[in-house]
Amino acid sequence: EIMLTQSPATLSLSPGERATLSCRASQSISTYLAWYQQKPGQAPRLLIYDASSRATGIPARFSGSGSGTDFTLTISSLEPEDFAVYFCQQRINWPPWTFGQGTKVEIK
Amino acid sequence: QVQLQESGPGLVKPSGTLSLTCDVSGGSITMRNWWSWVRQTPGKGLEWIGEIYHGGRSNYNPSLKSRVTMSVDKSKNQFSLRLTSMTTADTALYFCATEGLDHAYFDSWGQGILVTVSS
Repeated sequence: EIMLTQSPATLSLSPGERATLSCRASQSISTYLAWYQQKPGQAPRLLIYDASSRATGIPARFSGSGSGTDFTLTISSLEPEDFAVYFCQQRINWPPWTFGQGTKVEIK
Repeated sequence: QVQLQESGPGLVKPSGTLSLTCDVSGGSITMRNWWSWVRQTPGKGLEWIGEIYHGGRSNYNPSLKSRVTMSVDKSKNQFSLRLTSMTTADTALYFCATEGLDHAYFDSWGQGILVTVSS
């Protein structure tokens, strides 16, 4: 089973600042990685797939990069609605598909 | 995007069986290949339970495989999850989800249903 480790666990930033979130895989997953955003009481929402492709309707301030074992989600300028929990997920090696434990982006 | 809605009991007794259904609207269940169940707990985070192809083939998480069965009912445009021998460790928020039109990641999700295992 591929383990995904996200860091940091919590990121405290102000609106307008840049957020950089990390996801590291326990073995190479090429670019088979997605990023999701989850707000309280809601289901996760797909932001990025295949490491760097934005999902439908996702603003350009969200970008993903990386390949192999190291991946990054960048939010170029935080909007108030971006404060949430972010998860990564791999889809190269199953079963099972696995998720990271999440990074919470909170208002500083 | 398709819309998904979970239904089922919110409370299951220990050693009991959980049965959940996911209703698909906004398109035929055959419009996507794979339909999944994912659960979430504060301790373990997001955990993929398994997936089922609209034709009936299924893949399960090895950690749950002995207790999980999934099925599809094309006539009702829905798919289902059955999880046996429930324990308190199975208390979780259960989501159904499916892939996108041009990729295999979880593009559409239900709102989730909280299932508590308690006597």
